Amino acid sequence: DQQVKQNSPSLSVQEGRISILNCDYTNSMFDYFLWYKKYPAEGPTFLISISSIKDKNEDGRFTVFLNKSAKHLSLHIVPSQPGDSAVYFCAAIGGGSNYKLTFGKGTLLTVNP
Amino acid sequence: DAGITQSPRHKVTETGTPVTLRCHQTENHRYMYWYRQDPGHGLRLIHYSYGVKDTDKGEVSDGYSVSRSKTEDFLLTLESATSSQTSVYFCAISDRVGSQETQYFGPGTRLLVL
Repeated sequence: DQQVKQNSPSLSVQEGRISILNCDYTNSMFDYFLWYKKYPAEGPTFLISISSIKDKNEDGRFTVFLNKSAKHLSLHIVPSQPGDSAVYFCAAIGGGSNYKLTFGKGTLLTVNP
Repeated sequence: DAGITQSPRHKVTETGTPVTLRCHQTENHRYMYWYRQDPGHGLRLIHYSYGVKDTDKGEVSDGYSVSRSKTEDFLLTLESATSSQTSVYFCAISDRVGSQETQYFGPGTRLLVL
């Protein structure tokens, strides 16, 4: 039973355009969501997070949107840069397991020059 | 930089041999975690620790044990390695601010079991 789903294994965008990465979850008890970026041969790097009491959080070129009624969150990257090419993981905390992150399977983003 | 190191970074071993992976942190974080990453599965929690000598199982704990005798070290042991344990292993620590927790990951250990 996959509680955090990233249904797009890959996404390709042009440099300068917007990248939108999507994530759906099934556990309504999740109350904190995070996005991680991972380059090959490196550990995941924390990117941005959002609490369930908010619907938007912005940090520079990165914005995360949360739609609780739809159990959906998205990460927007504007403008996209070639250095953003990486695997992006969505993760969630809560539901009685406050110390455990539940990860999606990841989306490979490729930003073409 | 969360001050997390993992050793070894790469290891090749044979089926049936014991293997221990080490995670070391320098910032006195209480919570530490071991994950494995496999194609098509994302990251899955193996075991975690919420203090010295306090550990608990994650979703894929079979075949693994852990120990934490000091705050800074969290060891993952494969008692008898199997080919299905070929994976990339990541250690993480967590930083809590109120009710919000962010986990920071080490560089990973690539393990190949032949």
